[in-house]
Amino acid sequence: ETGVTQTPRHLVMGMTNKKSLKCEQHLGHNAMYWYKQSAKKPLELMFVYNFKEQTENNSVPSRFSPECPNSSHLFLHLHTLQPEDSALYLCASKRDSSTDTQYFGPGTRLTVL
Amino acid sequence: GENVEQHPSTLSVQEGDSAVIKCTYSDSASNYFPWYKQELGKRPQLIIDIRSNVGEKKDQRIAVTLNKTAKHFSLHITETQPEDSAVYFCAAIFYSGNTPLVFGKGTRLSVIA
Repeated sequence: ETGVTQTPRHLVMGMTNKKSLKCEQHLGHNAMYWYKQSAKKPLELMFVYNFKEQTENNSVPSRFSPECPNSSHLFLHLHTLQPEDSALYLCASKRDSSTDTQYFGPGTRLTVL
Repeated sequence: GENVEQHPSTLSVQEGDSAVIKCTYSDSASNYFPWYKQELGKRPQLIIDIRSNVGEKKDQRIAVTLNKTAKHFSLHITETQPEDSAVYFCAAIFYSGNTPLVFGKGTRLSVIA
């Protein structure tokens, strides 16, 4: 399944590093999302973008900064993260109807040392 | 906003037996209810969905039922096999348009051979 891709697949970073996660969808979708998946909160919605505009920010700390330059690409910029931010970060996308299928990317496994 | 409760959090069944996972949702306006399966180390993938205009849908060994009056829906897996072992997530969507799914907390299903 290559409709939604994410890079890198694995990332290890120190608390003082700055890194970025990338998501790309090849499905012509208009909505893209970032989720955080950890043992405590299995699928925690972080950010929502519709037609490149951020429409939802679920009280995410400012050390996470999203960017959506166009409908096909979504980034998550990371800086001064904490060890508790270690998790699987999943990107997802959907067309533009409430009953359209939401597709997930493979995720980036992030470890913060 | 929408809230989805999922039970049980873990479920173990013998191979060949049936498994049932139940979810309840809070918003009566929700009209789309998908189920995702996430195998270890992989992305969540849609396995079946149901829309509010039907009460049941079946696809081979998997079926989903919806009770709109009671605001609950269930996943039924018959003749379980070891490869059915995974985490299953239910979800619901409230608004029309580009809103993301609201997920339950997942059920870890183990099928014992």
